[in-house]
Amino acid sequence: KQEVTQIPAALSVPEGENLVLNCSFTDSAIYNLQWFRQDPGKGLTSLLLIQSSQREQTSGRLNASLDKSSGRSTLYIAASQPGDSATYLCAVRQPGNQFYFGTGTSLTVIP
Amino acid sequence: DAGITQSPRHKVTETGTPVTLRCHQTENHRYMYWYRQDPGHGLRLIHYSYGVKDTDKGEVSDGYSVSRSKTEDFLLTLESATSSQTSVYFCAISESGHTNQPQHFGDGTRLSIL
Repeated sequence: KQEVTQIPAALSVPEGENLVLNCSFTDSAIYNLQWFRQDPGKGLTSLLLIQSSQREQTSGRLNASLDKSSGRSTLYIAASQPGDSATYLCAVRQPGNQFYFGTGTSLTVIP
Repeated sequence: DAGITQSPRHKVTETGTPVTLRCHQTENHRYMYWYRQDPGHGLRLIHYSYGVKDTDKGEVSDGYSVSRSKTEDFLLTLESATSSQTSVYFCAISESGHTNQPQHFGDGTRLSIL
């Protein structure tokens, strides 16, 4: 069974710092990996989706990379802002239309 | 934001009662999903639908049933609710089953079973 891990569980950084969030998975037979943010009491907002054939995707200050063979993905956030404070989740999609989520990294950006 | 509405947003009920949660979308997307989110477990897939009357099981389907009689509505039913089904339930949609299609989520339903 696929296991998705996100370490650390929580992270605090000062405003303006560049940071990297990590996601690892145990089974490399994935179709894609998606990064989300979740604000308290809210649903998930899709940030980036990387297909298994891709190495990275970029959107604004966000860059996500995927190394399928090693079972790792990173989400890079440039020039962090207080508005980036949220929980960040990664999820992998596997054959049979099954999805597996990590438990998230709670990010606090301190003004 | 994707046009996804979940109802009710909050519900408290007693063990043994039936409960139905509704997900309504205005995007005409083919795929719809139900997840539950619990501390320490992340989100887990309960059931999904790939078209009207077409559904399949996810990782944690026991104790849940679903129905989809229209493209826009996907219902999740707990036939006889148990305290272990206390959770936050999320609906998600995607345009198709293609691997380049992201999932988009509703704001969730917080369900408490006493």
